[in-house]
Amino acid sequence: AQTVTQSQPEMSVQEAETVTLSCTYDTSESDYYLFWYKQPPSRQMILVIRQEAYKQQNATENRFSVNFQKAAKSFSLKISDSQLGDAAMYFCAYNGNSGGGADGLTFGKGTHLIIQP
Amino acid sequence: DTGVSQDPRHKITKRGQNVTFRCDPISEHNRLYWYRQTLGQGPEFLTYFQNEAQLEKSRLLSDRFSAERPKGSFSTLEIQRTEQGDSAMYLCASSSGRSSYEQYFGPGTRLTVT
Repeated sequence: AQTVTQSQPEMSVQEAETVTLSCTYDTSESDYYLFWYKQPPSRQMILVIRQEAYKQQNATENRFSVNFQKAAKSFSLKISDSQLGDAAMYFCAYNGNSGGGADGLTFGKGTHLIIQP
Repeated sequence: DTGVSQDPRHKITKRGQNVTFRCDPISEHNRLYWYRQTLGQGPEFLTYFQNEAQLEKSRLLSDRFSAERPKGSFSTLEIQRTEQGDSAMYLCASSSGRSSYEQYFGPGTRLTVT
């Protein structure tokens, strides 16, 4: 079974600075998808960024980028120019391709990101 | 609004009662997922539908849990004989099967069993 580990229960960063959230996963599959989701307090889960394992290039979405290290099974999220609205729980998630990529997601326990004004 | 919707948003029930939650996915999405999220944890996958077919139900937490998607549109999740341990947020998500299988989540139904 796949597992996703987020080793940082909480991170704090000054507004406008850069922060990196860590995620490692365990799988025997060679093809899969990885995601970062954001869950603001009392609000719904929002997809931040995704990465296909077969792509070597790291995904980027505006201020959000990932460092995907397939051999190390590591998938970290970098948030540049942090804004107050970035404060939330961030979840790393895995979806294997054995089910055609349509299986349920396996989530980590999350990292609570605090933005200091 | 074409997002995923869930009803009710909050439900308080007494132990032993049955509860049913509804999820309406994004209209063109044929895949629908149910998750449970307890405090301080990431969501835990429960079950999944492609159209009206339930393709994965082995992870439903017990036989007190059941889900349906009768016409391949909305879905219901029922919990029979609720227990205090069932208190959690129940999340629904949908996907189209394209766009790298991105799943879009609803706001969730928070269940409190007293």
